[in-house]
Amino acid sequence: QKEVEQDPGPLSVPEGAIVSLNCTYSNSAFQYFMWYRQYSRKGPELLMYTYSSGNKEDGRFTAQVDKSSKYISLFIRDSQPSDSATYLCAMNKGNEKLTFGTGTRLTIIP
Amino acid sequence: GAGVSQTPSNKVTEKGKYVELRCDPISGHTALYWYRQSLGQGPEFLIYFQGTGAADDSGLPNDRFFAVRPEGSVSTLKIQRTERGDSAVYLCASSPTSGISTGELFFGEGSRLTVL
Repeated sequence: QKEVEQDPGPLSVPEGAIVSLNCTYSNSAFQYFMWYRQYSRKGPELLMYTYSSGNKEDGRFTAQVDKSSKYISLFIRDSQPSDSATYLCAMNKGNEKLTFGTGTRLTIIP
Repeated sequence: GAGVSQTPSNKVTEKGKYVELRCDPISGHTALYWYRQSLGQGPEFLIYFQGTGAADDSGLPNDRFFAVRPEGSVSTLKIQRTERGDSAVYLCASSPTSGISTGELFFGEGSRLTVL
C-alpha cells in the first residue's frame, strides 16, 4: 500500500465550477503538506503549503488539512480553462524528502 | 529570469548503455534534488544535495545510479548499465536553502529518458 493515495482521475468540470481534489495518507509522521500543479511536459510548481490542520486560502485556491483523518484537500473556486493540469499532493516528515501522490488530471471545459 | 535548466531534454539509449543527465540549478540555490517520474505517477525522490554533499541518497534504487555535485552548483545524475525500467522523466529541483521551511522546490522541465 502506498503511503499517499490520490485518485488519478481524469476529472472534467465546466468553467466556473468549484473543483475538489483530495489525498489520503497512512503515516502520521507526515507534518508538512503541499499541492503542486504540473502542466504537460513541464515540472511541478508549488501552489499551496501548509503545516497544520485547518484551512489556508490563497486567491481562488483553498488548502485543507485534517490530520486526525489523514486527509488533505485542495479547492479551486471559479475554475478557468488555464487551471487544466495535473495536481499533485505532496508531503514530508520534517526532512527534505517529499512523497508525492499519483496526481489528478483535471480538465476545465470552456 | 533563469530557472532550473536540465539537459538533455530527451535521451534515447539502448539497454546496457551509460547515461548522464545534467542539472543547472537557480543561481545561489544551495539545495538540489533529483526525482524520477514514471508515466502516470507522481515524482519519486532519488537524492538531495546540500552544497556539494549528498545529504540524503536513500531514494537511489540501486548502485547503478549515482549523482555528483562537485562545486555545489551543477549536478550530474549518472546511470550505468541502463535497463528498460529506467525509462522515466528525471526531474531536478533546487531551493534557496532547504525545502522544509516553505515547501517550495523549483523544478526543471525534466530529462525524458527512454531505454530501448
